[in-house]
Amino acid sequence: DTAVSQTPKYLVTQMGNDKSIKCEQNLGHDTMYWYKQDSKKFLKIMFSYNNKELIINETVPNRFSPKSPDKAHLNLHINSLELGDSAVYFCASSQGYGYNEQFFGPGTRLTVL
Amino acid sequence: QKEVEQDPGPLSVPEGAIVSLNCTYSNSAFQYFMWYRQYSRKGPELLMYTYSSGNKEDGRFTAQVDKSSKYISLFIRDSQPSDSATYLCAMSQGGFGNEKLTFGTGTRLTIIP
Repeated sequence: DTAVSQTPKYLVTQMGNDKSIKCEQNLGHDTMYWYKQDSKKFLKIMFSYNNKELIINETVPNRFSPKSPDKAHLNLHINSLELGDSAVYFCASSQGYGYNEQFFGPGTRLTVL
Repeated sequence: QKEVEQDPGPLSVPEGAIVSLNCTYSNSAFQYFMWYRQYSRKGPELLMYTYSSGNKEDGRFTAQVDKSSKYISLFIRDSQPSDSATYLCAMSQGGFGNEKLTFGTGTRLTIIP
């Protein structure tokens, strides 16, 4: 049983294209996140949603637009892709606030050519 | 200056050795301290977490937090080849809207059989 799943696993595309990454969690959590991991393995928060409401927007360019149709799903749409967007994007989820373990998905490796 | 600094490595040690991984931080608001392990091409998985100064032990792993010095460590005893991975320290303020994890840059560890 996959707890946090992402599709696609790999995404190769040309500069200027628009692409989406999907995330689903079956843990019943109410908070979901997007993180970006660059080529040096540095992992940084992008967004978080709680019960479909945007909570954290970490100064990410407007080209990135998260959407949460329900609390089990958080998708990431990226417009006008740039070379610098090449990275691994991780979705995560947790329950509640305070400290609760964040469970990470397997990642989506995006390569912009 | 980054909020969380981690010894970058890489680190190679022989099987059976004791490994010490370290992070320092500058934000006094951090209340929760975690160590994540990330195998190649996988998502991070939580290894240990603590919220108070002192030591916490779990099998071969010991997490140590010194809030007065803003310093955390992870010790691995009797290291095994299966411990070869990238280790990420992470911290959180906790509380609604502050659940995001701030990560160190990661230390790549290789255990040599």
